[in-house]
Amino acid sequence: AQRVTQPEKLLSVFKGAPVELKCNYSYSGSPELFWYVQYSRQRLQLLLRHISRESIKGFTADLNKGETSFHLKKPFAQEEDSAMYYCALRDYGGATNKLIFGTGTLLAVQP
Amino acid sequence: DGGITQSPKYLFRKEGQNVTLSCEQNLNHDAMYWYRQDPGQGLRLIYYSQIVNDFQKGDIAEGYSVSREKKESFPLTVTSAQKNPTAFYLCASSIWAANYGYTFGSGTRLTVV
Repeated sequence: AQRVTQPEKLLSVFKGAPVELKCNYSYSGSPELFWYVQYSRQRLQLLLRHISRESIKGFTADLNKGETSFHLKKPFAQEEDSAMYYCALRDYGGATNKLIFGTGTLLAVQP
Repeated sequence: DGGITQSPKYLFRKEGQNVTLSCEQNLNHDAMYWYRQDPGQGLRLIYYSQIVNDFQKGDIAEGYSVSREKKESFPLTVTSAQKNPTAFYLCASSIWAANYGYTFGSGTRLTVV
């Protein structure tokens, strides 16, 4: 079954430390993966897509099909990175096209 | 200003009442979605619609109903059959069959009193 797993509910780091938010997926087809972010009192918004191989706000994520992972990384955390992060998998088999979300990881960057 | 609007922001419902949450978009997106967000459970799909006058159940459709009479609108009704309706509800839209991701609304917080 299609599934997205984010094993950490909370990740707390100090400012300037590296960050890695873990995401593993299970999907029978060719996966399309996304990271969404929700800052305090703001709406959920797209952070990055694996297909575009972009870096947004210093974050990157590489799709590793062998390990079925799509971990989100940033070399030096900033306090403004504190937010809820969701990994999502696009399920587009057959006539469907929907996103399956993980349970989210709350990133807290301490000063 | 293009976007997706949910209303109301806060909604209180008495036991046994039906309530309807509004979702409107002016992005000309084909597809619209309703998710429920609960702490520790992430986002769970309630219903989605690919095209006007058509919609499909998501993973937790029981106790909910939707309609899609216009491309711009996708209201969600939380019926009295929904046993645990207190939650944060998110509406989203997207271009169908594309990998651009979703645009989300700001959400409606429903509380049963």
